Amino acid sequence: AQSVTQPDIHITVSEGASLELRCNYSYGATPYLFWYVQSPGQGLQLLLKYFSGDTLVQGIKGFEAEFKRSQSSFNLRKPSVHWSDAAEYFCAVGSPRGSTLGRLYFGRGTQLTVWP
Amino acid sequence: SAVISQKPSRDICQRGTSLTIQCQVDSQVTMMFWYRQQPGQSLTLIATANQGSEATYESGFVIDKFPISRPNLTFSTLTVSNMSPEDSSIYLCSVGAGRSGNTIYFGEGSWLTVV
Repeated sequence: AQSVTQPDIHITVSEGASLELRCNYSYGATPYLFWYVQSPGQGLQLLLKYFSGDTLVQGIKGFEAEFKRSQSSFNLRKPSVHWSDAAEYFCAVGSPRGSTLGRLYFGRGTQLTVWP
Repeated sequence: SAVISQKPSRDICQRGTSLTIQCQVDSQVTMMFWYRQQPGQSLTLIATANQGSEATYESGFVIDKFPISRPNLTFSTLTVSNMSPEDSSIYLCSVGAGRSGNTIYFGEGSWLTVV
């Protein structure tokens, strides 16, 4: 069965500190992985995605994520957090092709608070 | 990328009524989807909106409650029928875009409150 686990419901970091948000997935085929960010009152903005190639992917706003197949993980990182990064972050998994293309399974989200 | 517009952005609805949400994309896309995000929860896929044929619903969602139209490659509607307070959610439209159509973008969402 397909599933995504984000073990941290809420993370608090100080501005300028580094950040790592965890994501583990279970998927029966080659996974297609996404990270989205949702600011209060907003929709979802795509940060980055991974299907194949270099396992370290760069996204927008200085975020990156590393795919580790052996650990079924796709953790999101940022070396220095800005106050504007405070938001909810969602990890999602899906299929990159075929009849299930675009059907994503989401984690429950991680709420990020940034202290000044 | 794809620019997705949803209407209404917010609404307060009376119990027992129905509301239709519109999703407009700035380019032709093959794949369009509807998701629900209940308060404090993650996103759940409702259905895939198929152009020219009936939508494909996920387990737990039925056409009578969430009828969907997809008249062309840039537009879709989702109706939430006979609403109850449990339907208070954000409803999001998403599309597959990009070179292979497999980059998934989301609209801003339609925030519905049922009273």
